Amino acid sequence: GDSVTQMEGPVTLSEEAFLTINCTYTATGYPSLFWYVQYPGEGLQLLLKATKADDKGSNKGFEATYRKETTSFHLEKGSVQVSDSAVYFCALSDNQAGTALIFGKGTTLSVSS
Amino acid sequence: DTAVSQTPKYLVTQMGNDKSIKCEQNLGHDTMYWYKQDSKKFLKIMFSYNNKELIINETVPNRFSPKSPDKAHLNLHINSLELGDSAVYFCASSQLRGSEKLFFGSGTQLSVL
Repeated sequence: GDSVTQMEGPVTLSEEAFLTINCTYTATGYPSLFWYVQYPGEGLQLLLKATKADDKGSNKGFEATYRKETTSFHLEKGSVQVSDSAVYFCALSDNQAGTALIFGKGTTLSVSS
Repeated sequence: DTAVSQTPKYLVTQMGNDKSIKCEQNLGHDTMYWYKQDSKKFLKIMFSYNNKELIINETVPNRFSPKSPDKAHLNLHINSLELGDSAVYFCASSQLRGSEKLFFGSGTQLSVL
């Protein structure tokens, strides 16, 4: 079945460092891909998405490009802030009615000043 | 106004007890979900309802029973609680069945002693 694999965390960075969180997927069809973020004590929120190959999703300085050839959707940010400390989830939708998002295991990011 | 609200936020109980978690959304969405997040942050779909109809029922012990009295509410009842049920349970909703943009509640942390 479809699945999402994320890099293991935690990821610890200093403020203004460059961030990459790797995500690869396995899917039989043409999925849509997402990044969700979970701040401490809160539920998940959609951060960005891409619905087809070569699409780039972006929001709040974060970017991810849907790469069909490498089945990847890596999350990047050029300069992280302390407020970016959270758990990041890569997710996949097979775009079929009656199915739910499939989430990766989450990557904890900790940014220090 | 909280879009997706769940109660209680914390639930501490003894093994063998029966407990319920309530969820309400005021977004007018048709589809609601229950996800379970384990101690390693792994998020797994449990159930999904669309307009009070059960559409996703993953491999979950039948001690777990969802109930949707109307499309704005999805409650989760758990019988005979076990230690392994300890987790954070998230309710979520989406506008459309199979929609990828989920709105999450802030979670219910269940601790079974």
